[in-house]
Amino acid sequence: GENVEQHPSTLSVQEGDSAVIKCTYSDSASNYFPWYKQELGKGPQLIIDIRSNVGEKKDQRIAVTLNKTAKHFSLHITETQPEDSAVYFCAARAGSGYSTLTFGKGTMLLVSP
Amino acid sequence: GAVVSQHPSWVICKSGTSVKIECRSLDFQATTMFWYRQFPKQSLMLMATSNEGSKATYEQGVEKDKFLINHASLTLSTLTVTSAHPEDSSFYICSAREVDTQYFGPGTRLTVL
Repeated sequence: GENVEQHPSTLSVQEGDSAVIKCTYSDSASNYFPWYKQELGKGPQLIIDIRSNVGEKKDQRIAVTLNKTAKHFSLHITETQPEDSAVYFCAARAGSGYSTLTFGKGTMLLVSP
Repeated sequence: GAVVSQHPSWVICKSGTSVKIECRSLDFQATTMFWYRQFPKQSLMLMATSNEGSKATYEQGVEKDKFLINHASLTLSTLTVTSAHPEDSSFYICSAREVDTQYFGPGTRLTVL
């Protein structure tokens, strides 16, 4: 089955810096890659996703890139703010929406003022 | 984005009692809903997938008689933890799929005394 590795497990940055979180996946059939942000005591919130027919997607300060050949995808957050502090999960899914997501282990991002 | 609600947000119960958690998709119809369990500082663990009007599909190692799932309508799924014990204490999160995107609820903190 699918295996998703996520790095780093923790990331500390200063406010205004950029943050990059990387994930690799094992199943070459995976074609959907969402990123979720989870604040303490809350459920995960979808922040951005990308499908395998696209190499990059951007939404204001966040962007996701996908390298299908290398089977890895990354989340980029620019101009980080303290409210970006949270745990971020990447996920991958093969097949259609009827398949299940496989999650990475998460990255705790801490943005210091 | 689509909104998923859960009720209750937290519950404390005595060992041996049963607890029901509701999950609703508020502004869309979800033919498929998922139930996850999350331990502190860990990733999301899929417990089961439920399709409206049919029996849930449980992941390996999840006791179907202990975690009863009902998906009676396109907007409501319930998880009942039967004869709860302290080891069932956890953060339970539901997710609903709109087309091929998964949205998560805010989670329910269950504490079994």
